[in-house]
Amino acid sequence: AQSVTQLDSQVPVFEEAPVELRCNYSSSVSVYLFWYVQYPNQGLQLLLKYLSGSTLVKGINGFEAEFNKSQTSFHLRKPSVHISDTAEYFCAVIKAVGSNDYKLSFGAGTTVTVRA
Amino acid sequence: EAGVAQSPRYKIIEKRQSVAFWCNPISGHATLYWYQQILGQGPKLLIQFQNNGVVDDSQLPKDRFSAERLKGVDSTLKIQPAKLEDSAVYLCASSFGTGPGNTIYFGEGSWLTVV
Repeated sequence: AQSVTQLDSQVPVFEEAPVELRCNYSSSVSVYLFWYVQYPNQGLQLLLKYLSGSTLVKGINGFEAEFNKSQTSFHLRKPSVHISDTAEYFCAVIKAVGSNDYKLSFGAGTTVTVRA
Repeated sequence: EAGVAQSPRYKIIEKRQSVAFWCNPISGHATLYWYQQILGQGPKLLIQFQNNGVVDDSQLPKDRFSAERLKGVDSTLKIQPAKLEDSAVYLCASSFGTGPGNTIYFGEGSWLTVV
């Protein structure tokens, strides 16, 4: 079964500094990849997704991610964070090709804390 | 556009008691999901409905959990009897259809504490 591993459980960062959240996936077939954000006491919100095409994906709130097939990674980046980016971030995957099982599988999450 | 509505937002019960959570998906969304999110972990799919039929309930603990979507719109998730390890956030989500091109929209969650 496909899975994702988020390499950092917590990432503290200063305001206006860049941030990178690492995500690796394991799958022998093509996958679709997603990043979701969960603000405190709220549900999950889609930040961006990779389905096909350009490997650099731009999302909401200034976030972007790059799909790297050779390294099986889908790292999330933002060049300058704000206090309001403090949240939990989840990488997720759906296995593609040859299956009708479009189950979304999540990583364990990365907590980003932005400090002034 | 109204989002996915869930109630109650918070519930505290004693072990062996029962609890029910309600979800109303975004209007027109045929696919409805219930996820369990334990503290410190990512959400785990419990059950997926397509209209009023179950598509996937492979990870639903059927000895104590049940869910229904009788009219293909709103849904109820029930736990009876509850165990301490059921303490989690129960997230309802919906999408227009299945497939990765369909964005899944999540509700704010129902927080369950079993004491």
